[in-house]
Amino acid sequence: NAGVTQTPKFRILKIGQSMTLQCTQDMNHNYMYWYRQDPGMGLKLIYYSVGAGITDKGEVPNGYNVSRSTTEDFPLRLELAAPSQTSVYFCASSPGQGTDTQYFGPGTRLTVL
Amino acid sequence: DAKTTQPTSMDCAEGRAANLPCNHSTISGNEYVYWYRQIHSQGPQYIIHGLKNNETNEMASLIITEDRKSSTLILPHATLRDTAVYYCIVRVVNAGNMLTFGGGTRLMVKP
Repeated sequence: NAGVTQTPKFRILKIGQSMTLQCTQDMNHNYMYWYRQDPGMGLKLIYYSVGAGITDKGEVPNGYNVSRSTTEDFPLRLELAAPSQTSVYFCASSPGQGTDTQYFGPGTRLTVL
Repeated sequence: DAKTTQPTSMDCAEGRAANLPCNHSTISGNEYVYWYRQIHSQGPQYIIHGLKNNETNEMASLIITEDRKSSTLILPHATLRDTAVYYCIVRVVNAGNMLTFGGGTRLMVKP
C-alpha cells in the first residue's frame, strides 16, 4: 500500500491564480481530511469527508473547495490564491470507526506570491 | 473537545527516557487521549491513544492519571530520530474523527 499520496510536493502560485491539490489513498478509508499548517503552528482542519459525496467544513474553510466523487480521491481546490494561503497542506484518511487513527500524506508546500 | 496544555519545548539525552506531559483538566468521560508526532517537514504520525488505562505499544507508553486530568507520553529509550513536535489531543469518539492540533511540545534529543 502506498498509503496517502499528495501531489504536487511544491508549488508557487501568483495572487489570483487557481489550483487543485490532489490527495489519493489506497486503504479504502471512508474518512478523509485536509489540514493546513502555517510556519511554526499546529495543524488546522480545512474540510473533511465521511464518504463519497459527503463533505463538510472544518475550522478554516474560507477560500477553499472540496469534492469527493470516489472513496480514493479528495482534491482541494483554491480558486483565487491569496498570500494568506501560503502554507503546507496535509491530507489524511482514517477508516472512520471508533477510536481509529488518521494517516497523513507527505504534504504539499504552497507559496502564493 | 477538551483543551490541552503542553510545555513548548523539552530536551532529552539520547538513550534516556523522554517523558512528555499533557494537562487536560476539562476532559469528559467519553474523550480519548491521543498522541501524534511530527518530524520536521513530514506529515503527523500516530503514536498511541488511551481512555482510562495505561497503554503501551512498540513506540511508547501512555500513562493517564486516575482522575484523567493529565497524562504522560513516555519514549523509553529516546534516539536522535525521535526529535519532533509531539501533539497531545483529546477528542470525542465518533465526532467525525476530527483532530484538533494545538502547539505541541518540541522534543530535542541530544547526543
